[in-house]
Amino acid sequence: QQQVKQSPQSLIVQKGGIPIINCAYENTAFDYFPWYQQFPGKGPALLIAIRPDVSEKKEGRFTISFNKSAKQFSLHIMDSQPGDSATYFCAASDEAAGNKLTFGGGTRVLVKP
Amino acid sequence: DVKVTQSSRYLVKRTGEKVFLECVQDMDHENMFWYRQDPGLGLRLIYFSYDVKMKEKGDIPEGYSVSREKKERFSLILESASTNQTSMYLCASSLLGMDTEAFFGQGTRLTVV
Repeated sequence: QQQVKQSPQSLIVQKGGIPIINCAYENTAFDYFPWYQQFPGKGPALLIAIRPDVSEKKEGRFTISFNKSAKQFSLHIMDSQPGDSATYFCAASDEAAGNKLTFGGGTRVLVKP
Repeated sequence: DVKVTQSSRYLVKRTGEKVFLECVQDMDHENMFWYRQDPGLGLRLIYFSYDVKMKEKGDIPEGYSVSREKKERFSLILESASTNQTSMYLCASSLLGMDTEAFFGQGTRLTVV
């Protein structure tokens, strides 16, 4: 049973499009929600993160939207570029339970030139 | 830069063998983690450790054990490898505290035949 559900599993967009990845969680104790980006042959790397007291966070072309009441959060990649082609994972953690991350299933994003 | 190094990129082992996966981090992080990554399932936590000689089970500990004799080194042990343990294994480390970033190694692709 996945505590963090991620969709879609894959996404293809044209350059300049806005891929949107959605995640939903069940554990209301989660208090930290990072997104990780993984390129082929590499380990995941932190992209952007949000805490539940904030509804939106932007870093460059990446935006997280957070809906605490719905227990959902999403990643938007504005003006996507072929270099953004990667697998994206949402995650969540509960500080009281240690810094262990619970990950979603991942979304493979392909940005076509 | 933080570096998390996994001893092997690729391993092929036979069913029933005892397998050791080694991970070393160079940033004096308290937390260390072992995840396995499978398509569609994301990253699932096997074990984690927040201090030397301390360990806690993650979500899928069955068939695995760990060892942390030194702060910088965290080993994953497959007591008797089975084909369903064929997977990508990722080690990560992080500092204690709120909202700390997890740094991942490049992964070990283990095939059990």
